[in-house]
Amino acid sequence: QVQLKESGPGLVQPSQTLSLTCTVSGFSLTSYNVHWVRQPTGKGLEWMGVIWTGGSTDYNSALKSRLSISRDTSKSQVFLKMNSLQTEDIATYYCASELPGTGYFDYWGQGVMVTVSS
Amino acid sequence: DIQMTQSPSLLSASVGDRVTLSCKASQNIYKYLNWYQQKLGEAPKLLIYYTNSLQTGIPSRFSGSGSGTDYTLTISSLQPEDVATYFCQQYNSWPTFGGGTKLELK
Repeated sequence: QVQLKESGPGLVQPSQTLSLTCTVSGFSLTSYNVHWVRQPTGKGLEWMGVIWTGGSTDYNSALKSRLSISRDTSKSQVFLKMNSLQTEDIATYYCASELPGTGYFDYWGQGVMVTVSS
Repeated sequence: DIQMTQSPSLLSASVGDRVTLSCKASQNIYKYLNWYQQKLGEAPKLLIYYTNSLQTGIPSRFSGSGSGTDYTLTISSLQPEDVATYFCQQYNSWPTFGGGTKLELK
């Protein structure tokens, strides 16, 4: 069955780079788009960006200068890197799948909580 | 960016009540509107896509409607397991979400 699972450090120092991995199973990264969405505790959801089935990417304009999404299809992994982390980046980070052209996120990972602190 | 506004932010209702949640877009989103349910400590779960299509496995007491800028999610008979926060999401342009409606039992 389709599964996504985020992994990465739960604590990042201010101004440092966040690196997260989304490992997927049950589908190919060349068949599904994978998005990253984050959620500060107790608040709403923010779309961060997407890696399309063809490997190209698009980003939320508010994060574009700091964000990079890539993948390794052979390992079924999608990577998120975001630099210059600040306290406003404290959130739970989710990866989610989208069947191309549908516009909805049908499967989500469990999320990984990231704190920014020295 | 298209702004999504949900109302109310908090809704208290009794088991068996008919419940209606609202979502308003800052511009016409041509029915490209999805609804998610998020229970405490869990990831969001897709309920409805393209305004009124029920995701597989979702109970039929959930339904969606709307057009243009105004959309609603209706629960025909509230059940205890429906306690959650509900988010709308548009995809007429880059995805944006509403701020959520927290649904609790009265």
